[in-house]
Amino acid sequence: DAGVIQSPRHEVTEMGQEVTLRCKPISGHDYLFWYRQTMMRGLELLIYFNNNVPIDDSGMPEDRFSAKMPNASFSTLKIQPSEPRDSAVYFCASSSRVVRNTGELFFGEGSRLTVL
Amino acid sequence: GQQLNQSPQSMFIQEGEDVSMNCTSSSIFNTWLWYKQDPGEGPVLLIALYKAGELTSNGRLTAQFGITRKDSFLNISASIPSDVGIYFCAGPGNTGKLIFGQGTTLQVKP
Repeated sequence: DAGVIQSPRHEVTEMGQEVTLRCKPISGHDYLFWYRQTMMRGLELLIYFNNNVPIDDSGMPEDRFSAKMPNASFSTLKIQPSEPRDSAVYFCASSSRVVRNTGELFFGEGSRLTVL
Repeated sequence: GQQLNQSPQSMFIQEGEDVSMNCTSSSIFNTWLWYKQDPGEGPVLLIALYKAGELTSNGRLTAQFGITRKDSFLNISASIPSDVGIYFCAGPGNTGKLIFGQGTTLQVKP
C-alpha cells in the first residue's frame, strides 16, 4: 500500500509569494494532520481533520496559513503571503484510529520549504 | 500545557555500543510512543506502550512504560550505523492531540 504522499518535496520561494503544499493520506484513514518541524520548536501540530472536517486549528500560526480537505484523499496547506520565518519542513500524517487511544500516525516524507 | 522532556538531547556513540534515552513528563500519560526519524524522512513509529510497567521489544529496541506513567525509556542494543536519526517520544495529551518530545539525536560512528 502507498504511504502518505506529499508534494512538493522541496520548495524555494521568495517572500510574499503564495505557497501550496499538498497531501494524499493513506486510503481509508479518517484523520489527517499537518505538522511543522523546525530546529527551534521541534514538531508542532498545526491543524487536524476528521472525516474531512477541521477539528482543531489552534496550532495554525496566523491568518496567513490556511488548510483545506475537500475530500478524503486530498488536503492542502496554503501560506499567503509567505515569510522567511515560515521556512521549515511541513509534514502531513494520517491515522485510522482515534489519537487519544493509540497515537499511531503515519507520516509523509515532508515538504521542505525555504522562503528567501 | 503538557510537555514531554527527552534526554539526552543528542548522543554520539561508537558502533556496537548500547544506547539508552528517556522521556519524562510532569503529568500522566496512558500511552507512550517512540518514533524514529531518519534524515530527510518523516517519523516512523517504532514501539507503542499501553500499560504501566509494560516492557516491549522490537528487534534490538526495548522500551518501557514507567510505573508512575510519567516516564518511558528506550534502549538500543549493539548500535549500527543505520540507527542514526532522531528519536521522539510521544503521547496523547488531555485534548486528544499527540504531544511530541523535542527528540534525541543519535549519531553512530562506524
